[in-house]
Amino acid sequence: NAGVMQNPRHLVRRRGQEARLRCSPMKGHSHVYWYRQLPEEGLKFMVYLQKENIIDESGMPKERFSAEFPKEGPSILRIQQVVRGDSAAYFCASSPDHFGETQYFGPGTRLLVL
Amino acid sequence: GQQLNQSPQSMFIQEGEDVSMNCTSSSIFNTWLWYKQDPGEGPVLLIALYKAGELTSNGRLTAQFGITRKDSFLNISASIPSDVGIYFCAGQIKNTNAGKSTFGDGTTLTVKP
Repeated sequence: NAGVMQNPRHLVRRRGQEARLRCSPMKGHSHVYWYRQLPEEGLKFMVYLQKENIIDESGMPKERFSAEFPKEGPSILRIQQVVRGDSAAYFCASSPDHFGETQYFGPGTRLLVL
Repeated sequence: GQQLNQSPQSMFIQEGEDVSMNCTSSSIFNTWLWYKQDPGEGPVLLIALYKAGELTSNGRLTAQFGITRKDSFLNISASIPSDVGIYFCAGQIKNTNAGKSTFGDGTTLTVKP
């Protein structure tokens, strides 16, 4: 399967714990985007990364959230000290170039904070 | 920031009927995109529009990029049960941070057999 892969598909955390979401882009894609989707809403942009660089993090909350896309391995979205309001579906998308017009989305990680 | 207003919020139609949904914005976008999302899955790109006034078809789907670059519509002809899902419009602005998409809140389509 050459599609975008995300894991885990479902993640349950208690308030105060850490959540780590992983995204493996399509083969040959070096551009990754993370979006958050609340119930009955559209996707909201969080961060755009290229290998080893954060290009645009204008949609990331200032605290507790961080993202990385190392030279080797998947992109990671990390949420520290989770709160109930962090419960959402988190999607990553990858594209082959910086234009990003053709973004392929993964199946998402559904985070539930108890 | 930019916001997209997508309407209608939901639609209930009979199989075989045509469907029309649209998206408007107070800001200009350089690219309009239409996605479909099935339950528990990520969005899948249906149609991409790159030029003002452009009309593009993909099978039973037709989408247009408005002349003002502030709106777009998606039509689905002769709907079938597998058209059920949530349809999202998204806009992009070409700049150094290209690829950042602004999404509407979606139109939920229900098709009755």
